[in-house]
Amino acid sequence: QSVLTQPPSVSGAPGQRVTISCTGSSSNIGAGYDVHWYQQLPGTAPKLLIYENNNRPSGVPDRFSGSKSGTSGSLAITGLQAEDEADYYCQSYDSSLSGFWVFGGGTKLTVL
Amino acid sequence: EVQLLESGGGLVQPGGSLRLSCGASGFTFSSYAMSWVRQAPGKGLEWVSTISNSGGTTYADSVKGRFTISRDNSKNTLYLQVNSLRAEDTALYYCAKARGIAVTRWSFDYWGQGTLVTVSS
Repeated sequence: QSVLTQPPSVSGAPGQRVTISCTGSSSNIGAGYDVHWYQQLPGTAPKLLIYENNNRPSGVPDRFSGSKSGTSGSLAITGLQAEDEADYYCQSYDSSLSGFWVFGGGTKLTVL
Repeated sequence: EVQLLESGGGLVQPGGSLRLSCGASGFTFSSYAMSWVRQAPGKGLEWVSTISNSGGTTYADSVKGRFTISRDNSKNTLYLQVNSLRAEDTALYYCAKARGIAVTRWSFDYWGQGTLVTVSS
């Protein structure tokens, strides 16, 4: 049971827009802590996709965007491409006794 | 170019120990916090431990008292001593570099390819 909740799977056709939600609580996202997003292509290490809610590292296409509101964060991918098929994870900081840096359970994106 | 290269994983019996290493290059290692994150087969990511640039350490409850993180800035190397291993510790262990100034805003901007720890009799 992950501290941050993500849908197990989402799907979309090439060219479409998809969003992935990340729901937390008052000890993490709701406390004002940032949401970060990672992309993990099959058989590879995670890659930082969005940091501090809505910032893209150099080299990440602007098709990827992030937002945060209340106790949730969201990742949007527009102009879906076949190479976007991957697992996506959100991450935040948690101030409860159980841990510090927490991840969502991950969302498998399938490009139809 | 930032590179992180883990080593030291392997097959170990329950109760056994291993020392994982992560060699870093391409950045000023001593200036950044470093972390270990693991991923059990077919599962999601789990933060394990972090060491700040000044040597302060934090651990997930699941490994506290059994794992020890350390760093040797002269060798640009991060370590994770894993003791009293359990079947549930079986995972790919990644080292990752922290980005950001404030601890509460840290994300992980570079990751190694991981080293596999398998705990089985």
